[in-house]
Amino acid sequence: DIQMTQSPSSLSASVGDRVTITCRASQGIGNYLAWFQQKPGKAPKSLIYAASSLQSGVPSKFSGNGSGTDFTLTVSSLQPEDFATYYCQQYDSFPFTFGPGTKVDIK
Amino acid sequence: EVQLLDSGGGLVQPGGSLRLSCAASGFTFSIYAMSWVRQAPGKGLEWVAAISGTGGSTYYADSVKGRFTISRDNSKNTLYLQMSSLRAEDTAVYYCAKDGAYLGFDPWGQGTLVTVSS
Repeated sequence: DIQMTQSPSSLSASVGDRVTITCRASQGIGNYLAWFQQKPGKAPKSLIYAASSLQSGVPSKFSGNGSGTDFTLTVSSLQPEDFATYYCQQYDSFPFTFGPGTKVDIK
Repeated sequence: EVQLLDSGGGLVQPGGSLRLSCAASGFTFSIYAMSWVRQAPGKGLEWVAAISGTGGSTYYADSVKGRFTISRDNSKNTLYLQMSSLRAEDTAVYYCAKDGAYLGFDPWGQGTLVTVSS
């Protein structure tokens, strides 16, 4: 199975900050990497697919990069609605696997 | 608008069974693979099972293989997860998700809570 790791596990940031979250796969997955945002008590929301493509309706302040084993999610200017937990997921091969999550909270 | 509505969760005793449903609307259900993903209380996301658009191919996480069965009724635009031999560690919110292949999982249902406890 492909293992996914994320760093950091949590971070504190201020409104307006630029933040970057890193995701690493235990083996190459091409660009079959997605990013999700989840707020407490809500279903995950897809932000990025194919490592760098924005889902419809997702603001351009979110961006993804990477291929192979190393990926990043960047939020260019954090707003209050962006404080949430972010997960990466590989969908290159079964079983699909998620990273452990990165919680972004207010400093 | 694409919508997924999860239902069927509840309290069940260890060793018991439960069937979850996911009603789909707003897209051609039969051409898309679908998945179930779960989240134990306070924990991260765990992919559980997937099924192809025709229902001819199914895939499972090792943690549920042999106990859970994913299926679909394309005439009813509904996805199912039959869960048996339930354990305490199966306690979680279960979400269905539309699998757009290269486009990833989007959207997700609102989730249904399964609690396994005596």
